[in-house]
Amino acid sequence: AIQMTQSPSSLSASVGDRVTITCRASQGIRNDLGWYQHKPGRAPKLLINAATSLPSGVPSRFSGSGSGTDFTLIISSLQPEDFATYYCLQDYSYPWTFGQGTKVEIK
Amino acid sequence: EVQLVESGGGLVQPGRSLRLSCAASGFNFADSAMHWVRQAPGKGLEWVSCINWNSNSIGYADSVKGRFTISRDNAKNFLYLQMNSLSPEDTALYYCGRWVAGFDQWGQGTLVTVSS
Repeated sequence: AIQMTQSPSSLSASVGDRVTITCRASQGIRNDLGWYQHKPGRAPKLLINAATSLPSGVPSRFSGSGSGTDFTLIISSLQPEDFATYYCLQDYSYPWTFGQGTKVEIK
Repeated sequence: EVQLVESGGGLVQPGRSLRLSCAASGFNFADSAMHWVRQAPGKGLEWVSCINWNSNSIGYADSVKGRFTISRDNAKNFLYLQMNSLSPEDTALYYCGRWVAGFDQWGQGTLVTVSS
């Protein structure tokens, strides 16, 4: 199975900060990667698909980059509603695998 | 309105079975790939299983392969997950999700607790 190594596991940041989360795949996965936001008691939310594509309705402060093995999620200016846990997911080959998650907390 | 509603969770003893259901509405279910994803208490998201629109392509996580079976009824708009030989490690909130270039729709989850 492809391993997805996500870092950091947690971070503290302030409103307005630029936040960067990375995900590394144990083998090349082209651009078959998505990013999800998950808040307690709620269903996860799709933020980025195909590594760089922003679905309709997702704020433009979220962006994704990368291909192959190294991927990045950037939140350009952190907002109060962005405090949550973020996951990457590879959909390149079965079994699909999530990263371990990055918890973004208020500094 | 697109809706996914999971059911069938509950408390079950180790070694026993449980079948989860996911009722879909508001979209063309028969055209959609569907998945199960779970989250154990205090842990991250774990992809469990998927099934394509006509059940010709199915995948499982290594942790459930041979014990869980995914299926669907396109006439009734239902997705299922038959879970056998359950262990405490299967305790989790189970979500069903629709895949359209990403998980664009999720249910609210059904809780499975495996304990004696």
